[in-house]
Amino acid sequence: GAGVSQTPSNKVTEKGKYVELRCDPISGHTALYWYRQSLGQGPEFLIYFQGTGAADDSGLPNDRFFAVRPEGSVSTLKIQRTERGDSAVYLCASSLTGTNTEAFFGQGTRLTVV
Amino acid sequence: GQQLNQSPQSMFIQEGEDVSMNCTSSSIFNTWLWYKQDPGEGPVLLIALYKAGELTSNGRLTAQFGITRKDSFLNISASIPSDVGIYFCAGLYPSGGSNYKLTFGKGTLLTVNP
Repeated sequence: GAGVSQTPSNKVTEKGKYVELRCDPISGHTALYWYRQSLGQGPEFLIYFQGTGAADDSGLPNDRFFAVRPEGSVSTLKIQRTERGDSAVYLCASSLTGTNTEAFFGQGTRLTVV
Repeated sequence: GQQLNQSPQSMFIQEGEDVSMNCTSSSIFNTWLWYKQDPGEGPVLLIALYKAGELTSNGRLTAQFGITRKDSFLNISASIPSDVGIYFCAGLYPSGGSNYKLTFGKGTLLTVNP
């Protein structure tokens, strides 16, 4: 596609439920990043994929968070046993290569845990 | 992790005025990026800086990569109402192997009064 696409744009879920957030990167981009943005803050790094592998997952806050990119294109961020503190905007970005600095962001998924 | 200190937190200016914001860090970065984020959207890349001392313009925007590689500023000249938004600086640094991580400042909220 022309840009990074994230679905859904909004997700409301009950505490304790499981959610999946999807990211479609720009076609041909090998690097994919997930960030979390809380209100009034800058995006905070979660995980970075180079191709199919997670090159750096040091930003995942705990083991309830997991992400996959099985074919090196679409990625899914999975959150188990959601907590109210997980409420935030989850942003995905992609870039041509891992060292290419022009990372392009999607519009984000706003997750609200009630 | 690498910390970016972005200032000011917010600015209220009159249309036509020039604006300046900056980011500093105690750490060295390979690349500085400036993004703008509108409500409900992901950050949009404005300017990328790759070399220490580099000064780059994009229309009414000018940004510089500090000589020490620990700071950067963004100037907006002759502001217009559509400049309203949150501006983020972001720094790219090696995070191990051939991987790079992008870390963000907390943002500068710009309000332009017509």
